[in-house]
Amino acid sequence: SAVISQKPSRDICQRGTSLTIQCQVDSQVTMMFWYRQQPGQSLTLIATANQGSEATYESGFVIDKFPISRPNLTFSTLTVSNMSPEDSSIYLCSVMLRANSYEQYFGPGTRLTVT
Amino acid sequence: KNEVEQSPQNLTAQEGEFITINCSYSVGISALHWLQQHPGGGIVSLFMLSSGKKKHGRLIATINIQEKHSSLHITASHPRDSAVYICAVKGGTSYGKLTFGQGTILTVHP
Repeated sequence: SAVISQKPSRDICQRGTSLTIQCQVDSQVTMMFWYRQQPGQSLTLIATANQGSEATYESGFVIDKFPISRPNLTFSTLTVSNMSPEDSSIYLCSVMLRANSYEQYFGPGTRLTVT
Repeated sequence: KNEVEQSPQNLTAQEGEFITINCSYSVGISALHWLQQHPGGGIVSLFMLSSGKKKHGRLIATINIQEKHSSLHITASHPRDSAVYICAVKGGTSYGKLTFGQGTILTVHP
């Protein structure tokens, strides 16, 4: 299994500012993902964080709005840029230990409120 | 129609009751996950199934691949089981993305 920590656990931010969320895993993992969960909605995949190369974004999400870094196999960051109230969501980091594994683990989430 | 449908959307029970949450899906899958989300937002993976049945403590998960249906059962429910339970399916390969159900809000009263 994998133990995932996220920082911050929650934050309240003003519109127009940016927030960087950190995801740390206790072991090297092959794949890392970032999800968003808007209020009352299910989870939506934002992007797959690739180690050493640009992240792979899903339809509707762009690098300028959600820049992602993954400098090594245990750490990734997601930045929510130029925030608006519509960005108020829970942001979750998720990992797969191995590319050919079906098991997927989730972090505790970051609850973001934009005022 | 959503690819993953859960029922019921909301469920209220008294402590000690047997609870069933259902998940139906319309696509071919390689695995199905049952997840638990507490009010703080963090998600815990309860089960990953590709066939048959799994049991962990008071929780039991079953899947019928032919009928494209899975159930999560909670025996002797307790107020600490109150959470959102989410069904998620992984596509035809292990690289496949997870598709999530809308979740079932469970409230267990003492």
